[in-house]
Amino acid sequence: ETGVTQTPRHLVMGMTNKKSLKCEQHLGHNAMYWYKQSAKKPLELMFVYNFKEQTENNSVPSRFSPECPNSSHLFLHLHTLQPEDSALYLCASSQPPQGEGEQYFGPGTRLTVT
Amino acid sequence: AQSVTQLDSHVSVSEGTPVLLRCNYSSSYSPSLFWYVQHPNKGLQLLLKYTSAATLVKGINGFEAEFKKSETSFHLTKPSAHMSDAAEYFCVVSDPSGGYQKVTFGTGTKLQVIP
Repeated sequence: ETGVTQTPRHLVMGMTNKKSLKCEQHLGHNAMYWYKQSAKKPLELMFVYNFKEQTENNSVPSRFSPECPNSSHLFLHLHTLQPEDSALYLCASSQPPQGEGEQYFGPGTRLTVT
Repeated sequence: AQSVTQLDSHVSVSEGTPVLLRCNYSSSYSPSLFWYVQHPNKGLQLLLKYTSAATLVKGINGFEAEFKKSETSFHLTKPSAHMSDAAEYFCVVSDPSGGYQKVTFGTGTKLQVIP
C-alpha cells in the first residue's frame, strides 16, 4: 500500500531456528532501514543502507545479520534468537539525504521467538 | 544531540471534538520534523512534515501541525476527530545537516476516539 512490502507478515520461530525477513521497495529510493518496534519502547533503528552500503549498525547483536543485494531489496537474517527479540520488525526506505526526506514504511513482520 | 518528547502516552477524545497531540523537540540544528500515524498491525504512514518552509503545516486527513521555534514544539491538531483517527501517532525529529542515523522517534501517543 505504501510501495514497501515485507514478507512474511508473521513469523514464529524457535531459538535454534534460522529464518530471514524480506523487504522490497518499489519507490526508486536508495536508502533502506530496519527498525525494531517493541511494546512500550521507542522505535529502535537497527541498520541503515545507503546505495547498498551499510552506513549504520546501531549496536545490534550479531544474531541479526542484514543483507542488501541492491537498492530495492533488504533482508534480515535471524539465527539463535532470544525471546526478548520478539517484536514488530519494520522496514523503511527514503531518498537520501535522510534528514530532509520522509521515510516510507512497510507493514512490518510480527516475530515471535519461542 | 537531538531528542523528542511526546508529552502524553494516551489521549482520549470524543468523536467530533478537537484533537491535540503534543510534541517537544531538542536539536542543535534547524531540524526537520514529522508526524507519523500507525494503525493496528500496520506500518507507519507519514501525516505531515516540516522542513523550514511555512511554520503551519497541513497534512493528510485534516491534520495540521505548527512549528514553534521559541517553544521547541510541533503539536499535532485536528479540528474534529473521526473514529478512523484512532491509532498511535509518532513525532519524529531529523537533523538535516547531513549524515545518516540522525532520525529520532518519540515514544508515541495512542489516540482513542470515543463514539
